[in-house]
Amino acid sequence: DTEVTQTPKHLVMGMTNKKSLKCEQHMGHRAMYWYKQKAKKPPELMFVYSYEKLSINESVPSRFSPECPNSSLLNLHLHALQPEDSALYLCASSQSGGGDTEAFFGQGTRLTVV
Amino acid sequence: DQQVKQNSPSLSVQEGRISILNCDYTNSMFDYFLWYKKYPAEGPTFLISISSIKDKNEDGRFTVFLNKSAKHLSLHIVPSQPGDSAVYFCAATGNNRKLIWGLGTSLAVNP
Repeated sequence: DTEVTQTPKHLVMGMTNKKSLKCEQHMGHRAMYWYKQKAKKPPELMFVYSYEKLSINESVPSRFSPECPNSSLLNLHLHALQPEDSALYLCASSQSGGGDTEAFFGQGTRLTVV
Repeated sequence: DQQVKQNSPSLSVQEGRISILNCDYTNSMFDYFLWYKKYPAEGPTFLISISSIKDKNEDGRFTVFLNKSAKHLSLHIVPSQPGDSAVYFCAATGNNRKLIWGLGTSLAVNP
């Protein structure tokens, strides 16, 4: 199993809603990542979890809250988002806890904030 | 300041011919380079990588060349196929293993 599975594939939410994005991998990877990608731009790193601990937060606004319940799961809790937060949210995982080389990416969640 | 630059936003190639995608970098501390391929509405897929101790890495139709003195790498796809049409991202990493991405090159392979 070399997959990173993200749910849901699409999400539309209002600015007052609370929702969560989920990510799962069963490759035994110890590092997991959240990226945000806008059209025609490269992925922007948001958070890195290494061995289930948050190791990098790229100055992401607090309306995005990551959670790593165990080594296979990664969540991104969303609250009070803005329309400009609409983007493709990508989860990735990699073997080592020290970086994101050769990361495997999920298919992404296409988020629209209305 | 863009540390990883892909100066061609798009490239169009005939099926069966060679596709050459270029990437330049400015940070001499980068020691590992990767290429990712991305289809619309999907996550990037790792394609091929090269360490700074090598100047060439080959995997099937894909070859990456690294010229450290010029701080330049290129991805060659031979022969190109219509299924190769996608956006290709060059990325680099150094000691902190944090990926620095280029802006991507959109490749169109025409039948």
